[in-house]
Amino acid sequence: GESVGLHLPTLSVQEGDNSIINCAYSNSASDYFIWYKQESGKGPQFIIDIRSNMDKRQGQRVTVLLNKTVKHLSLQIAATQPGDSAVYFCAEASFTGTASKLTFGTGTRLQVTL
Amino acid sequence: GAGVSQSPRYKVAKRGQDVALRCDPISGHVSLFWYQQALGQGPEFLTYFQNEAQLDKSGLPSDRFFAERPEGSVSTLKIQRTQQEDSAVYLCASSLLISPTEAFFGQGTRLTVV
Repeated sequence: GESVGLHLPTLSVQEGDNSIINCAYSNSASDYFIWYKQESGKGPQFIIDIRSNMDKRQGQRVTVLLNKTVKHLSLQIAATQPGDSAVYFCAEASFTGTASKLTFGTGTRLQVTL
Repeated sequence: GAGVSQSPRYKVAKRGQDVALRCDPISGHVSLFWYQQALGQGPEFLTYFQNEAQLDKSGLPSDRFFAERPEGSVSTLKIQRTQQEDSAVYLCASSLLISPTEAFFGQGTRLTVV
């Protein structure tokens, strides 16, 4: 299949280990922060989001941490599986009555080794 | 259909040719977004529709790019006089309400300008 990104930062993790993917954002006025997973040849798939007034949110096998002081976001994946191999993007969401957009960060390729 | 559908899946255009990319959003979704994703990069916002109204077109890179959603459902992104730098994957997303946080993405159309 076609490659989502050829020169992205890459994180290699052994199956069963935990993964931590980091992201720096720029707009302190963003309302939400979202993590997306993008597999080769597919569109981004929503994983988890967090409101700007929270610092931690947990989902199934995933946890997102938000540090507004240093404008840093992280995604933790527990017990990483081969199916988690993909490119991961963080995104900032902002919306008003007349504007709505996502601003994506630089992706990270996660490679799960057996 | 159950998801956002984009067509064609792949498009090869000669430089200078006009192209039209189609997006069928999820039925009933108010918001529709177009993004451009260059190889190795995150998606970049192009334009936003709320029903048939194009409320934000700040991301369109030039006046060669035009988008419409005349009946508040299907949308078309048109690129006139294509250039090599237009080569990218064009992603469409829709969400039920105004917020982009729960947007569902299509698989995208890969445009290659030769």
